[in-house]
Amino acid sequence: RKEVEQDPGPFNVPEGATVAFNCTYSNSASQSFFWYRQDCRKEPKLLMSVYSSGNEDGRFTAQLNRASQYISLLIRDSKLSDSATYLCVVILSNFGNEKLTFGTGTRLTIIP
Amino acid sequence: GAGVSQSPRYKVAKRGQDVALRCDPISGHVSLFWYQQALGQGPEFLTYFQNEAQLDKSGLPSDRFFAERPEGSVSTLKIQRTQQEDSAVYLCASSLGQQAQPQHFGDGTRLSIL
Repeated sequence: RKEVEQDPGPFNVPEGATVAFNCTYSNSASQSFFWYRQDCRKEPKLLMSVYSSGNEDGRFTAQLNRASQYISLLIRDSKLSDSATYLCVVILSNFGNEKLTFGTGTRLTIIP
Repeated sequence: GAGVSQSPRYKVAKRGQDVALRCDPISGHVSLFWYQQALGQGPEFLTYFQNEAQLDKSGLPSDRFFAERPEGSVSTLKIQRTQQEDSAVYLCASSLGQQAQPQHFGDGTRLSIL
């Protein structure tokens, strides 16, 4: 079983729609959680951190459920520019070696 | 620029050749990570440096892979006797090394083994 699991998609969603991605992680000792965005043939870029209290950044909302070991990302009023692969990421330790453990990524295409 | 710089951007090699990939992290960044990203997959951790010390090499897939960061700045990932399964994008990331500081990624080196 992979440490971080995501539905690879693809998700094809009309512009303006709301789309949600989910991710599960296997190690209950995981400390930090993130969503990264990766455009085709580009490097991953941090989209947002994820907290148990939930956090919002404009049209993006992220949520962590530690009991269920589950992370979500919600994108409202989707734009063409949101088309990308969204990577769920966890860090096991906050001290020293903060290596990132990535999911496979979920590919999103916004259709005009 | 001020970001993480990787070279070459693309590398094509014949099976059995040795290759060397370079990463120039953001100035002052203590932590440096190498990741391997196969087609259609998320990046996977290879190795971690804190300054010049290689503190974790648990992700290196075989003893053909070797990484160094002798002066605590530029790092080189070397792959000896390359195999076709080594074809991937190799990403380097650096961070300040303090708790919860974000990692900044380079553009990656796309390695193709023929």
